[in-house]
Amino acid sequence: EPEVTQTPSHQVTQMGQEVILRCVPISNHLYFYWYRQILGQKVEFLVSFYNNEISEKSEIFDDQFSVERPDGSNFTLKIRSTKLEDSAMYFCASSISPGLAGTSTDTQYFGPGTRLTVL
Amino acid sequence: QKEVEQDPGPLSVPEGAIVSLNCTYSNSAFQYFMWYRQYSRKGPELLMYTYSSGNKEDGRFTAQVDKSSKYISLFIRDSQPSDSATYLCATGGTSYGKLTFGQGTILTVHP
Repeated sequence: EPEVTQTPSHQVTQMGQEVILRCVPISNHLYFYWYRQILGQKVEFLVSFYNNEISEKSEIFDDQFSVERPDGSNFTLKIRSTKLEDSAMYFCASSISPGLAGTSTDTQYFGPGTRLTVL
Repeated sequence: QKEVEQDPGPLSVPEGAIVSLNCTYSNSAFQYFMWYRQYSRKGPELLMYTYSSGNKEDGRFTAQVDKSSKYISLFIRDSQPSDSATYLCATGGTSYGKLTFGQGTILTVHP
């Protein structure tokens, strides 16, 4: 069964450093997302991405964050200058349609996550 | 008011029990509703997807949506120890792909 994969599974970095989190969405999916989950808190939406453009972003997704689909398979989240409060699990997700179709193609499938620890 | 509210539990039940998990939401514009299961330090795994009010059944799981009262439920019949996980409700449909999650309910099914 196709699945979303993410690398690395755990990333440790120093405050102020840049990190890139990588995701390979399901191959026939067109919409891609990043979420984060701070330990003990809710899963929070960061950004949605379609056709090489951001479709929607949350207040969390400030200028420190960027997303890119550098090739036909990878989807990346870059944090330019990490802060302590960026420590969290980051989940990538993908779907066939963007959540407006009212069908199961809207379903988002999540990857296993990357645990980011900022020291 | 939080957009999606979910009792975090924890909830502990004996094997074989019927489990009821619930969420309320505030935004009547939400169009579809999902239940995800999350094991410790893993990604959310989709259990159920519903678009309209009513019930949807899949094996031991039944999802129920009442849009008039903005209330969503997940019932697990004949619960098993392998059902022990955190259950997340999520809503969407107001904007491009954004899912809004509840806090998650921690469920333990003991043998």
